This record gives sequence, structure tokens and C-alpha cells, in this order.
Amino acid sequence: EAGVAQSPRYKIIEKRQSVAFWCNPISGHATLYWYQQILGQGPKLLIQFQNNGVVDDSQLPKDRFSAERLKGVDSTLKIQPAKLEDSAVYLCASSSGRGVYNEQFFGPGTRLTVL
Amino acid sequence: QQPVQSPQAVILREGEDAVINCSSSKALYSVHWYRQKHGEAPVFLMILLKGGEQKGHEKISASFNEKKQQSSLYLTASQLSYSGTYFCGTVDPEFGNQFYFGTGTSLTVIP
Repeated sequence: EAGVAQSPRYKIIEKRQSVAFWCNPISGHATLYWYQQILGQGPKLLIQFQNNGVVDDSQLPKDRFSAERLKGVDSTLKIQPAKLEDSAVYLCASSSGRGVYNEQFFGPGTRLTVL
Repeated sequence: QQPVQSPQAVILREGEDAVINCSSSKALYSVHWYRQKHGEAPVFLMILLKGGEQKGHEKISASFNEKKQQSSLYLTASQLSYSGTYFCGTVDPEFGNQFYFGTGTSLTVIP
């Protein structure tokens, strides 16, 4: 079974530029998560999708971050414009059901450096 | 709402045991445990649910005290491969089942 795929693996941009990350979850997984993990900290949930609907995006900085999940499969997370404090690893995870009862499978992450 | 873990860091010799604790200020409906090795993504270890149900690896054990809003992960006869950062995770039903990872515990096993 293929795992969660993410691209790119690394990205370096200047502040105020835009960047987009892509995630392809495990086939059949209804729930998709985007996390931000700053060095030395635990992952922080940015947005959670159930199929192609948003379950929770309360911690997503909506003035600069946006995310979509088309047709309930792939997802894209965008930052526009980027700030220095956005430097982090962006993790995508998927699960077969809601978070209470089901394990999350994580992709390898995208390491973003904002200069 | 972020769960607090203790200890923050622990160093063990191979074969020794360790306990990692996770405390929440809110009622717990489930507790997840993940391990993250340096430079890698978190990997699932276990889920504990209210009522005592558990899903996870046979070699990992954990407890879930709903009254105290705490969970503990027990690592016995530690191996070098156990090294990494351990995170608990909890779900807050008041916030649409939003998932919160804990503060993390760094575990280092030395020969």
C-alpha cells in the first residue's frame, strides 16, 4: 500500500514570496490533515478535511494561508505571502476515519525555509 | 488545550524501562501516541479510547485514566531503536474533534 506522498520535499523562498505544497493521501482515506512543525516543537494542526469539506481550520492563519482538497483526494496548502516565522516542516497526514478512533499516517513532510 | 508531557527528556541505557506521561486540562475521549525520529515524520504507536479499548503495537503498552485526564506510555526493556521524540495527541470534541499534539518527550537510549 502506497503511503502519503508530499512534494516538494524542500523549498527555499524569500519572504513575501508565495509557495504551495501538495499532498496525496493514502487511497480511500477520507480524512486529511495539514500540520506545521516548527523546529523543536510538536506538530500543530492547521486544517483538517473530511472528504472535501473542512472540519476544522481554526488554527490556520487565513490572512496568508489557504488550503483546498479537490474531489476529496489530493490537497494543496498555499502560503501567500510568506513570512520568516513560516519556516517549518509542513506535514500532511491521512486517516481512514475521524481522528478520535483512527491512526494517522504521515507523509515525509516539506521543509520550508523563508529567507 | 495542548496536552503537557513529562518528562521533557530522558536518557536510558539499553534494557532499562521508562514511563512517559501525558496530561490534559480537558476531558479525554481518546489518546494517541506517536514516535518521531530526527528528520522523519511521526509514526503511530497506539490509540487508547474511553472504556478501555486499545489499538496499537503489541510491544507497546499504555494506560488511560479518564478521571485524571492522563495517559502514560510504558517502554520496557528499551532498545536503541526506541530513541526519538514521543508525542501524545488528544482530540477536543468541543472544537470539532480538533487534534492536539502534546509538548513532546525526547527519549535517548544509549548502549
